[in-house]
Amino acid sequence: AQTVTQSQPEMSVQEAETVTLSCTYDTSESDYYLFWYKQPPSRQMILVIRQEAYKQQNATENRFSVNFQKAAKSFSLKISDSQLGDAAMYFCAYRSPGSARQLTFGSGTQLTVLP
Amino acid sequence: KAGVTQTPRYLIKTRGQQVTLSCSPISGHRSVSWYQQTPGQGLQFLFEYFSETQRNKGNFPGRFSGRQFSNSRSEMNVSTLELGDSALYLCASSLDATEAFFGQGTRLTVV
Repeated sequence: AQTVTQSQPEMSVQEAETVTLSCTYDTSESDYYLFWYKQPPSRQMILVIRQEAYKQQNATENRFSVNFQKAAKSFSLKISDSQLGDAAMYFCAYRSPGSARQLTFGSGTQLTVLP
Repeated sequence: KAGVTQTPRYLIKTRGQQVTLSCSPISGHRSVSWYQQTPGQGLQFLFEYFSETQRNKGNFPGRFSGRQFSNSRSEMNVSTLELGDSALYLCASSLDATEAFFGQGTRLTVV
């Protein structure tokens, strides 16, 4: 079974600064998907960024980028130019490519953005 | 394009009662998954339906059940409610294995 670990329960960053959230996972599969989801106080899970394991290039979405280290099973999220609206709980998630569509989530990192 | 719609948004039930939650996926999405989110256990997978068939099930007691209709709408049912069933229940729909899109959730409180 796959497991996802987020070792930072809480992080804070100054507005306009850069912050990196950590995530490690354990799997015996060679092909899979990794995601970062954001959950603001409204509680709706919002997809931030996606990475396919077969792609060596790190995914980027505007101010959000990942550092995907497949051999180390590490998948960190970097938020550049942090904004107040980035404050939320961030979840790292793993998904197999096969018929089992379930997501395995980490425990989350609560990000606070300081003005 | 409308997103994933979950109803109701909030629900208060008494121990021993049963409850039904509804989820309408994004148009064209045939896969619907349900998750339970609690402060203690985090996000846990309940089950997934695809074309009206349960394809995968998490480690939850038989009191938790679900179904999917021909229009891909899904319902989950919890019978004989316990205090520990108080949680945010999230529904997600998928077109394929790449991305899951979530609804706003149903907050269930059992008293």
